Amino acid sequence: SYVVTQPPSVSVAPGKTATISCGGNSIGSKSVHWYQQKPGQAPVVIIYYNTDRPSGIPERFSGSNSGSTATLTISRVEAGDEADYYCQVWDSSSDHRVFGGGTKLTVL
Amino acid sequence: EVQLVESGGDLVQPGGSLRLSCAASGFTFGTYAMSWVRQAPGKGLEWVSGVSSSGASTHYADSVKGRFTISRDNSKNMVFVQMNSLRADDTAVYYCAKSSGGSEAPPIDYWGQGTLVTVSS
Repeated sequence: SYVVTQPPSVSVAPGKTATISCGGNSIGSKSVHWYQQKPGQAPVVIIYYNTDRPSGIPERFSGSNSGSTATLTISRVEAGDEADYYCQVWDSSSDHRVFGGGTKLTVL
Repeated sequence: EVQLVESGGDLVQPGGSLRLSCAASGFTFGTYAMSWVRQAPGKGLEWVSGVSSSGASTHYADSVKGRFTISRDNSKNMVFVQMNSLRADDTAVYYCAKSSGGSEAPPIDYWGQGTLVTVSS
């Protein structure tokens, strides 16, 4: 079945830009969705269909997807952005919803 | 306001069974696919199962196929998962989740707060 790979952790200083990758075979041909999960809370979708932002999500959050890597970019990182981030695709060959392993973002 | 409220989580012995329920409100339930997603302690998200808006189509992760059964009652705005032959590695918080479309392919736009299932002797 389809596998998506994320780095376990990313660290960034406040005010800087964080990038979180999500790798998979020809993932550029799929729609990638990103979820943010803070400790003790349910996940929240922050980017859907590669680049779209739900209402209420700051413009600092953006996404891209091409080739074998999708990327979540967080600009002007704030302490409140510290969370786990998960990418997710739909694998039509197996009819499975597939999550990446998650990336813990630490704000230094 | 969309609300998803899970119930049924408990401590169960290996080999036992459990039925989780999810009560939905705040949207036209029969229009949207629903999923169960679990998270083992300290681990990442794992999709477990999904059901289409009509209930006609169901899908399962390989790890639960043959042991779990998802169903929905559109007249009562409820979705269920019957879990049999439970194993220690089924221990997790189980989230009820709403698809943003009638099938499971679209992203999840709402999540419940989760219910804890612990499988242990």
